[in-house]
Amino acid sequence: SYELTQPPSVSVSSGQTASITCSGDELGDKYACWYQKKPGQSPVLVIYQDSKRPSGIPERFSGSNSGNTATLTISGTQAMDEADYFCQAWDSSTAVFGTGTKVTVL
Amino acid sequence: EVQLVESGGGLAKPGGSLRLSCAASGFTFSDYSMNWVRQAPGKGLEWVSSITRSSTYIYYADSVEGRFTVSRDNAKNSLYLQMNSLRAEDTAVYYCARSPGGLYYFDYWGQGTLVTVSS
Repeated sequence: SYELTQPPSVSVSSGQTASITCSGDELGDKYACWYQKKPGQSPVLVIYQDSKRPSGIPERFSGSNSGNTATLTISGTQAMDEADYFCQAWDSSTAVFGTGTKVTVL
Repeated sequence: EVQLVESGGGLAKPGGSLRLSCAASGFTFSDYSMNWVRQAPGKGLEWVSSITRSSTYIYYADSVEGRFTVSRDNAKNSLYLQMNSLRAEDTAVYYCARSPGGLYYFDYWGQGTLVTVSS
C-alpha cells in the first residue's frame, strides 16, 4: 500500500520559516494537500493541489511538490501555527494521509 | 456558511454496530463527493470511506472494507456510515468531510463524533 512519510516533529523560532516534508513514491505525479490539526479542533485545509491556498488561509502558508517530496512551508511562523500537520494524496482510489508532523513554535 | 454536523457516536461493544450521520447545510450537497475520516486517540488521520455525488463510486479503506457501509441521501442532505463488527481499533473521532470537484482533497470538515468500542 502507498505510504506518505513525514518527520515526527519540527521546531521553529517565532518569525522564522518552518518547512515540513512529505515523502512518497512518485508523489510529484499526484496532487498533494496539507491539513492543520489542533487538539480538540477539526482539521483545516491549508494547501490543496500542491500549492493553492484556500480562501482565508494566510499567505505565509505555501506548498510545492516535485519528484518524491511535497513540502509545506510556513514563512514568518506565528505561535498560532503550532499544530500537527498532515499531508494527503490519492493513490489507486485510496486517500492516504501522511504520518503527521508536530510543529512547535519556540 | 458550510456546515457539517456529525451524530450517532457513542459506546459500542466489540462486534456491535453503530450508524453515524452527517447533516450538511450551506451548500448544494448533491454537487459534492463526501468522505469519512477518523483519528484514533493519540494517532494520525486515517481515511475511512468516500462516496461520489450520485453514489456511483464508493471506496473504502482496507481496514473497514466488508464491515462499514457508506451511503448518502441527497434529498435529505445527509451522509451515513453504517459500522458493523466493530473492533477496539475502530475507537476514534469520526469526521465527515466534503470534497469539491472530485476526490482530491477535503475542504470542509465537521466537528467530529467520538466512537468508543469497549466491553
